[in-house]
Amino acid sequence: DQQVKQNSPSLSVQEGRISILNCDYTNSMFDYFLWYKKYPAEGPTFLISISSIKDKNEDGRFTVFLNKSAKHLSLHIVPSQPGDSAVYFCAASGDNYGQNFVFGPGTRLSVLP
Amino acid sequence: DGGITQSPKYLFRKEGQNVTLSCEQNLNHDAMYWYRQDPGQGLRLIYYSQIVNDFQKGDIAEGYSVSREKKESFPLTVTSAQKNPTAFYLCASDSGQPQETQYFGPGTRLLVL
Repeated sequence: DQQVKQNSPSLSVQEGRISILNCDYTNSMFDYFLWYKKYPAEGPTFLISISSIKDKNEDGRFTVFLNKSAKHLSLHIVPSQPGDSAVYFCAASGDNYGQNFVFGPGTRLSVLP
Repeated sequence: DGGITQSPKYLFRKEGQNVTLSCEQNLNHDAMYWYRQDPGQGLRLIYYSQIVNDFQKGDIAEGYSVSREKKESFPLTVTSAQKNPTAFYLCASDSGQPQETQYFGPGTRLLVL
């Protein structure tokens, strides 16, 4: 049973436009969420986080939105750049899971020039 | 420069052979983790350690073993009992405190001959 879902395996966006990556979770005890970006054959790199006490967090071109009632978060990238092409993972943690992270399956973003 | 190193980058295993993947961190992190990534899937937790000389099984520990004799090091052994070892293995670490970012190494790709 997948506790963290990323229902879009892939997404293509034109350079300069907005990319929106979605993530849904089933466990209401999750209270901290991270987004990672991963290039092939490399380790994931941390992008942005959000705690359940917030509904939005911004860092440069990256904004994460959290809707606790819907158990949904999204990552917005504006403007999208070709270098953003990668796999994006959503991860969640909470006291119920010993602070370990549960990862979604990832969404492959392609930013087209 | 602080970070997490993994070696080797590529590793080949023969049938019936045990192999050990190295993970070292100089971030002074208490907690370390091993994940496995298969194509099209998220990261699955193999083992984790919150403190030296202590470690816990993750979701897919069968066929793997670990040790945590030093804070900086968390080697993973893939034993002959692991019937499908071909995957990308990622080591990570964090402070072990709630709502802290987890950082990843560059990964090791294990292939079976």
